[in-house]
Amino acid sequence: EAQVTQNPRYLITVTGKKLTVTCSQNMNHEYMSWYRQDPGLGLRQIYYSMNVEVTDKGDVPEGYKVSRKEKRNFPLILESPSPNQTSLYFCASSPEFDPGYNEQFFGPGTRLTVL
Amino acid sequence: SQKIEQNSEALNIQEGKTATLTCNYTNYSPAYLQWYRQDPGRGPVFLLLIRENEKEKRKERLKVTFDTTLKQSLFHITASQPADSATYLCVMDSSYKLIFGSGTRLLVRP
Repeated sequence: EAQVTQNPRYLITVTGKKLTVTCSQNMNHEYMSWYRQDPGLGLRQIYYSMNVEVTDKGDVPEGYKVSRKEKRNFPLILESPSPNQTSLYFCASSPEFDPGYNEQFFGPGTRLTVL
Repeated sequence: SQKIEQNSEALNIQEGKTATLTCNYTNYSPAYLQWYRQDPGRGPVFLLLIRENEKEKRKERLKVTFDTTLKQSLFHITASQPADSATYLCVMDSSYKLIFGSGTRLLVRP
């Protein structure tokens, strides 16, 4: 089944404890991205990647890191999480490097709470 | 900076009527606009994409318009059903980034 998977789905952690949220797609998509969703603010793009080893900042990259060593995986790293990073996170992928004219396929989401 | 706005108030309509949702954008001229449906706690699901040179696009009961003069897109659901109740997101492209509106919640009463 063609899909985007994220793990974990739920995570409660404490301030400063490094964590990684994994994202994987099995559709051989070029473009992958991470979003956070907060009430009243909608989805905001954190980082995106147009291909392997090519990543760039979205609108809210502070406090996050990403890497794209393989085409299928795009992990999101929080080196030192803080309470303001409590949010619902979505990973997405699309077939080609330009997302504008391509359908985005979203993962099921990761609900992160930082205490 | 580029901005995309959707009506934050929920739209409450009777089953069978046409729902019309509005998306306005500023400080940019996107080449494409996309619309997604999102159910609570779940990832958005793609519905339609419209290009700047297309005035209108249809898919079953859905219709999207793109007015580059007004800087506006309208999303219509005809013969609405309670199952159409969800939040609908408008998205524009901006140099390999995507900018999402905060969404409009649609409630269809039986």
